[in-house]
Amino acid sequence: KNQVEQSPQSLIILEGKNCTLQCNYTVSPFSNLRWYKQDTGRGPVSLTIMTFSENTKSNGRYTATLDADTKQSSLHITASQLSDSASYICVVSGWMDSSYKLIFGSGTRLLVRP
Amino acid sequence: EPEVTQTPSHQVTQMGQEVILRCVPISNHLYFYWYRQILGQKVEFLVSFYNNEISEKSEIFDDQFSVERPDGSNFTLKIRSTKLEDSAMYFCASSEGVSNQPQHFGDGTRLSIL
Repeated sequence: KNQVEQSPQSLIILEGKNCTLQCNYTVSPFSNLRWYKQDTGRGPVSLTIMTFSENTKSNGRYTATLDADTKQSSLHITASQLSDSASYICVVSGWMDSSYKLIFGSGTRLLVRP
Repeated sequence: EPEVTQTPSHQVTQMGQEVILRCVPISNHLYFYWYRQILGQKVEFLVSFYNNEISEKSEIFDDQFSVERPDGSNFTLKIRSTKLEDSAMYFCASSEGVSNQPQHFGDGTRLSIL
C-alpha cells in the first residue's frame, strides 16, 4: 500500500534552535518528494521538490534530504524563527495504476517558542 | 508574485443544498486541482483538470461532485447535495506541469454544512 508516514506528530522548540522532521514512504514507483509548509488557516506552500536522483535541496533555512534507497526524507530547519510555527507536510508522487498521484503525509506540527 | 485565489473564504450551507466553490488559478498554469482537508486530518486529493476535462479523480469525487472551467480564468467545484461529512477546507491548486512542478495552493474555502 502506498503510504507516507511523518514523525514526530508535533514538536516544540525554542527560537534559534535547529530541528529535523522525518518522512518515510512506501510509494512505488516514485517520481518526486515534496515538502510543504502550511500555516494555520492557509493553503500549503511548496518548500522543496526532489526527484529520485537528488540527495539534498535547500530553500533558505530549509534543507531537505532524500535517500531513495531507504525511502526516507528529512527536512532540517536551521536557526528557527517564530514564523516557522506551522505544519510541515511531506508529499510523495508517482505514476500508479497509469495515473499520476500525490500521496500526502499527516504532517508534523511545529511550534517555535520565544 | 501571482497567487491562486479562492472565494468565498467561508461558506455555511444547509444539508442537501448545492454549493459552488470558486477559484482563480495562476494565469499561465495549465493544470488545476481540488483537494479537501477535514479538520485535523491530512490533505486529500479530489480531482485534477487539464485541457478542459478531468484527468484524474479520487474515490471521494463521486457523482455529487463536478468541476468546471466556465471561462478562461475561473475553476469551480460544485457539490450537488451537500452532506454533513462534506464539511472541510477545500483547497484549489494549479501548476504549470504535472511532474516535478510545484503546485500552488489557494488559502481555501471553509465549508460548513449544518
